[in-house]
Amino acid sequence: GAVVSQHPSRVICKSGTSVKIECRSLDFQATTMFWYRQFPKQSLMLMATSNEGSKATYEQGVEKDKFLINHASLTLSTLTVTSAHPEDSSFYICSATRQDSNQPQHFGDGTRLSIL
Amino acid sequence: GQQLNQSPQSMFIQEGEDVSMNCTSSSIFNTWLWYKQDPGEGPVLLIALYKAGELTSNGRLTAQFGITRKDSFLNISASIPSDVGIYFCAGQGNFGNEKLTFGTGTRLTIIP
Repeated sequence: GAVVSQHPSRVICKSGTSVKIECRSLDFQATTMFWYRQFPKQSLMLMATSNEGSKATYEQGVEKDKFLINHASLTLSTLTVTSAHPEDSSFYICSATRQDSNQPQHFGDGTRLSIL
Repeated sequence: GQQLNQSPQSMFIQEGEDVSMNCTSSSIFNTWLWYKQDPGEGPVLLIALYKAGELTSNGRLTAQFGITRKDSFLNISASIPSDVGIYFCAGQGNFGNEKLTFGTGTRLTIIP
């Protein structure tokens, strides 16, 4: 069964809206979660590393004020796309790994964001 | 961001054929991972490799961690229709909580 849950699976909204995406680790604690963005027919590109209890680490070129990340607990990280525009339309995927382990990351099922 | 070079970009094969794809990097990774992604879903882990030279199998899948730590390959034997999808390699540092660097992907299509 799934070990990482992502919600919602699909969002369609108007330009200018802010959208929040949740990523939950099921039955394990994750001090670190990752947020990726994937455009059609392309690979996953890391946006940011979400650290529980501290600020997220953003990859070069990713606007931290545009993509707000909150990791308030060991099982939940949220990504908020603020004032979304059509160019923000993409497939957003999170991943998580068990705390203090060398186990591979498990991915959520992704969120398809469409901005009209 | 950095991406790993993965080849081939796409493959069209008949059911029952064997498949081989590889991934190369300009930098060293201490962990190599292979994922499969179906349309509209997140990647699912197939095989994890932790040691240079390691050869690991998972059913019909076999993957190897290159001795230089800069490459890896994935083989699929006797392909079946459910093998269709996009395969990604990913490189990682020493620990599971370190970020992944993904390959460009290989799209596998099975011709009826």
